[in-house]
Amino acid sequence: DAGVIQSPRHEVTEMGQEVTLRCKPISGHDYLFWYRQTMMRGLELLIYFNNNVPIDDSGMPEDRFSAKMPNASFSTLKIQPSEPRDSAVYFCASSSDRGNTGELFFGEGSRLTVL
Amino acid sequence: AQKVTQAQTEISVVEKEDVTLDCVYETRDTTYYLFWYKQPPSGELVFLIRRNSFDEQNEISGRYSWNFQKSTSSFNFTITASQVVDSAVYFCALSEASGGYQKVTFGIGTKLQVIP
Repeated sequence: DAGVIQSPRHEVTEMGQEVTLRCKPISGHDYLFWYRQTMMRGLELLIYFNNNVPIDDSGMPEDRFSAKMPNASFSTLKIQPSEPRDSAVYFCASSSDRGNTGELFFGEGSRLTVL
Repeated sequence: AQKVTQAQTEISVVEKEDVTLDCVYETRDTTYYLFWYKQPPSGELVFLIRRNSFDEQNEISGRYSWNFQKSTSSFNFTITASQVVDSAVYFCALSEASGGYQKVTFGIGTKLQVIP
């Protein structure tokens, strides 16, 4: 079975550019999460969706960040304009409500470097 | 307040030594789940174990064991006879009934280095 698929794996961009990260969750999972990992702050939850609807975006750092989930098999995280402090590894994860436990299945992450 | 505290940021052990990774959590919920995830150098987070708040039995899986103590709000992870392949960052995490269980809060992680 395919796991959570993220793209790109690596992105290097210049300050001010728009960055779009993509995620395909595991088929049948009805929750999708975006996390950001940095050395200083560890893993931070940015936003999560249930059945394509954003439930909690309190972790989104500022208006430069936006996330969408147009359908059950695709989500994007966009940063516009990007800044050097956005450099981090961004993880997408999905889960199923059936177990109702919160167990997450993670993608391999997208490593973003903003110069 | 931090909900999940992993006080050890980095640990180094020599291969075959036992090592315990500490995790202390904070919650007002009576129903919650605790997790451990492993992040090897390749970067992907891998689920290791889940424990619900009503099950304080210790669990052993091969060289891995977990000690859950509600009295001290701790969920510690022990690796017996460590191996180089155990080198990774280990995260303790919490999901709570009040968050619908789906909102998982992670600790800062403990980086374990096993030296051959």
